[in-house]
Amino acid sequence: QKEVEQDPGPLSVPEGAIVSLNCTYSNSAFQYFMWYRQYSRKGPELLMYTYSSGNKEDGRFTAQVDKSSKYISLFIRDSQPSDSATYLCAMSEAAGNKLTFGGGTRVLVKP
Amino acid sequence: GAVVSQHPSRVICKSGTSVKIECRSLDFQATTMFWYRQFPKQSLMLMATSNEGSKATYEQGVEKDKFLINHASLTLSTLTVTSAHPEDSSFYICSARDTSGRSPSYEQYFGPGTRLTVT
Repeated sequence: QKEVEQDPGPLSVPEGAIVSLNCTYSNSAFQYFMWYRQYSRKGPELLMYTYSSGNKEDGRFTAQVDKSSKYISLFIRDSQPSDSATYLCAMSEAAGNKLTFGGGTRVLVKP
Repeated sequence: GAVVSQHPSRVICKSGTSVKIECRSLDFQATTMFWYRQFPKQSLMLMATSNEGSKATYEQGVEKDKFLINHASLTLSTLTVTSAHPEDSSFYICSARDTSGRSPSYEQYFGPGTRLTVT
């Protein structure tokens, strides 16, 4: 069993729809949770960061962490074709420590 | 924002040769850099943690004699793939932490990646 599980997709949605992404994990020591966006053949860029359980909103993006269920989510509202990318969840036990990534979910937003 | 560059962006080499990949933090100092590899349609797998002025820490299953890491300055880490074979063909990505205090401690800045093809 992988330490972090993420549905690979692809997830196809019409423009304007809400994109819902999630990851489950097994390591209860994870405390820092991130979501990265990666375009094809590029390095990942950080979208959202959350410490411990809770919700965080930034523009069209909302991240949720439920440590009791070992489950994290990312929601993208009013999706745009430019949101088409692979979204990776990542976690670490301490700030600045090595990251453990999920497998990534490929998202396609159709105009 | 903090920028990390990698050179080359793409390299093709023959089996048995060695290839060096550079990772540079352009506008900040990075005492710690990380090296990842990513196979097509798969996630990033951490290979090693590179610390300036000391030996790199390799993840389990990564051959340290094959993947040589040198972090000789606060802005440069290099990964050398020695005696490369076709199975080493992959996308290699580095990341760096800005430890000056200007950026959050959790944040890693990723380079654009280097695509290695071994023929």
